[in-house]
Amino acid sequence: EAGVAQSPRYKIIEKRQSVAFWCNPISGHATLYWYQQILGQGPKLLIQFQNNGVVDDSQLPKDRFSAERLKGVDSTLKIQPAKLEDSAVYLCASSLEVLADTQYFGPGTRLTVL
Amino acid sequence: SQQGEEDPQALSIQEGENATMNCSYKTSINNLQWYRQNSGRGLVHLILIRSNEREKHSGRLRVTLDTSKKSSSLLITASRAADTASYFCATDAGGNNRLAFGKGNQVVVIP
Repeated sequence: EAGVAQSPRYKIIEKRQSVAFWCNPISGHATLYWYQQILGQGPKLLIQFQNNGVVDDSQLPKDRFSAERLKGVDSTLKIQPAKLEDSAVYLCASSLEVLADTQYFGPGTRLTVL
Repeated sequence: SQQGEEDPQALSIQEGENATMNCSYKTSINNLQWYRQNSGRGLVHLILIRSNEREKHSGRLRVTLDTSKKSSSLLITASRAADTASYFCATDAGGNNRLAFGKGNQVVVIP
């Protein structure tokens, strides 16, 4: 079974630029999550999708972050404009359904904002 | 918000020894999960314990949960070099899979 795919794996941008990350969850997984993991900390949930609807985006900084999951499969997370403090690893995870216990994580995208 | 807090933050042990780490949390939970993260395999789910359970085993892993003290422990028995990783506890307060992760506990197993 293929795992969660993410791209790119690394990205370096300058502050005020825009960046987008892509995630392809495990086939058949209805629930998709985006997390931000700052160096030395645990992942922090940014947004949770159930199919193509948003379940929870309470911790998403909506003035600069946006995410979508068109057709309920792939998802993109965008930052516009980026700030220095956005430097982190962005992890995508998926689970079979919103009440499923196990989340499967992708390898992450390491973002560096200069 | 970050809820779990792991203790100790860093642990270095010899191969074959047991490793114990603790996690404390602040609010009531539906379940608590432990994850492992290393550079080779990313973040991997290890074990889940529900609020009405006190102890759970999976292979060389043993997890306990004390809801009265709002704490959990993860024991890895007979550690191996491959167990070198960061270990995170994550709490699910509402049973809706919205996890709040702790800061992590770095374990180094010396061959």
